[in-house]
Amino acid sequence: DAGITQSPRHKVTETGTPVTLRCHQTENHRYMYWYRQDPGHGLRLIHYSYGVKDTDKGEVSDGYSVSRSKTEDFLLTLESATSSQTSVYFCAISNQETQYFGPGTRLLVL
Amino acid sequence: TQLLEQSPQFLSIQEGENLTVYCNSSSVFSSLQWYRQEPGEGPVLLVTVVTGGEVKKLKRLTFQFGDARKDSSLHITAAQPGDTGLYLCAGEYGQNFVFGPGTRLSVLP
Repeated sequence: DAGITQSPRHKVTETGTPVTLRCHQTENHRYMYWYRQDPGHGLRLIHYSYGVKDTDKGEVSDGYSVSRSKTEDFLLTLESATSSQTSVYFCAISNQETQYFGPGTRLLVL
Repeated sequence: TQLLEQSPQFLSIQEGENLTVYCNSSSVFSSLQWYRQEPGEGPVLLVTVVTGGEVKKLKRLTFQFGDARKDSSLHITAAQPGDTGLYLCAGEYGQNFVFGPGTRLSVLP
């Protein structure tokens, strides 16, 4: 299994609070991704990174920001959480052709 | 915008039956992946196909990439309850991936 961990694994927060999710890899892969998964929508790309300090927006980036200060860490921040951001968030890493996924973070925004 | 469609959305079969699920797009992808996801876990890679017309076998699972690299199929022979899960296909374009909505398979003993 690819070495990807996500923290926290579960989080409950209130509307309007900031939330940061962490993805950590031990594979030294260049590319890292954040997705959200919702019933009826499948996996949708939020942001991705192609190197340290190099990031770009995905399909559903509004309300999210990311940072990558080290190869192994990719952070996803919800500046002011909303109920529509309740979802399961997955981090993935890529070695060009293939992505490997972390175990996910289940976020509930009340 | 690249889009992937999967069919059927849901499939419930008896143990021992064969089945095929499909992944279709109007876009050409440089590679295509199949994943299986179980409840509460992240998707787990099953296979990557790269060449048009390519066929790959993984025990009872057979994957085919269309000649034009726009579609793919997954065939399972003699399905078992352990095959139950959500099957996702994903197409690679550039360094990004687009996912289909998945086929939820239930294999009943």
